[in-house]
Amino acid sequence: DAEITQSPRHKITETGRQVTLACHQTWNHNNMFWYRQDLGHGLRLIHYSYGVQDTNKGEVSDGYSVSRSNTEDLPLTLESAASSQTSVYFCASSRTGTYNEQFFGPGTRLTVL
Amino acid sequence: KQEVTQIPAALSVPEGENLVLNCSFTDSAIYNLQWFRQDPGKGLTSLLLIQSSQREQTSGRLNASLDKSSGRSTLYIAASQPGDSATYLCAVQAAGNKLTFGGGTRVLVKP
Repeated sequence: DAEITQSPRHKITETGRQVTLACHQTWNHNNMFWYRQDLGHGLRLIHYSYGVQDTNKGEVSDGYSVSRSNTEDLPLTLESAASSQTSVYFCASSRTGTYNEQFFGPGTRLTVL
Repeated sequence: KQEVTQIPAALSVPEGENLVLNCSFTDSAIYNLQWFRQDPGKGLTSLLLIQSSQREQTSGRLNASLDKSSGRSTLYIAASQPGDSATYLCAVQAAGNKLTFGGGTRVLVKP
């Protein structure tokens, strides 16, 4: 069955380190998204991509970057981790075109000490 | 800026009672609205998607309505079960495929 996976599921890192969170989907979806979920703020969009080589900033993109070299993967990089980036991160994907249902991965819980 | 609100933040009902979850949004220029379920420590599971041209969508015991002009959606869960205990999130999709989420309603169904 098609699915969307994230790794690692849990990560503890130190302030200032670079961290990369992986997202892999086998739906063959062109659209991919990264969200973070925090108490009191709900889910907020970090970055998104509509296809290979396409990336766009979301609502809370500062300190994060993404790259899209193939259809299946959209890794999220924290260039210099900060304690404010402690959160649960979700990757999602949807079919080509606009306004289609988004499917979510299981999430990565990141703690920055 | 689109804002999505879900009230109440938490809800507790006895098993068998019908659940009514509310979602409101400030900008009616949406393309669709999606309801999700989230279990503790887990990801989001899509329950229903209602296109802006639709008034309601049904799946099993779940029924979601949409009144775009008034900026409201309601998720009904019939004959609730303890397994329905979870957090329910609504999200609206506007330009650019981006979802704006509400804060969620945490539901507890007591046996």
